[in-house]
Amino acid sequence: NAGVMQNPRHLVRRRGQEARLRCSPMKGHSHVYWYRQLPEEGLKFMVYLQKENIIDESGMPKERFSAEFPKEGPSILRIQQVVRGDSAAYFCASSPSDGTNTEAFFGQGTRLTVV
Amino acid sequence: SQQGEEDPQALSIQEGENATMNCSYKTSINNLQWYRQNSGRGLVHLILIRSNEREKHSGRLRVTLDTSKKSSSLLITASRAADTASYFCATGLHNNDMRFGAGTRLTVKP
Repeated sequence: NAGVMQNPRHLVRRRGQEARLRCSPMKGHSHVYWYRQLPEEGLKFMVYLQKENIIDESGMPKERFSAEFPKEGPSILRIQQVVRGDSAAYFCASSPSDGTNTEAFFGQGTRLTVV
Repeated sequence: SQQGEEDPQALSIQEGENATMNCSYKTSINNLQWYRQNSGRGLVHLILIRSNEREKHSGRLRVTLDTSKKSSSLLITASRAADTASYFCATGLHNNDMRFGAGTRLTVKP
């Protein structure tokens, strides 16, 4: 059973371009969470999705950021018109249920650099 | 908002010594989780302790939870160079509610 897979591991974008980050949860997990980690900081929750539904996007900026978790395929975190401040590590985690007393399994992250 | 805050921010010890890290949080929780992050890597789950538990062990790791003080500690016994990493606590009622602190950066010198 492969762990949470994120790709790409590293992504370089010029200002104004779009960044698409992918996350494939562990097999059997239908709950996906995205976090952002700035240098020397802890992770900050962005969005929580179940298949085809956004459950909680309270941590996600209202503009330029969007997330989806389609019925088939990976979850996608999309950042439009990237700016330098978007440079960070983006981590995806999955769990088999809503997470009450259930650990979340994290991917290796995607390191986005905006130049 | 709920947020784990780790203390100290950085800790440097010799191999074989014990390392203790603390975490404080602000509101009610269902559980508290500790994670380890090696430099430039993803998080690895270490231990989950439920709000009705006071202590939990896993190998060389011991976690305590004091809900009256809203604090938890992570003890690593007989530390090894490979334990060098950042350690985060995370609190929340659900995984989508998890709040992480800035972490404790542990350096174990051989």
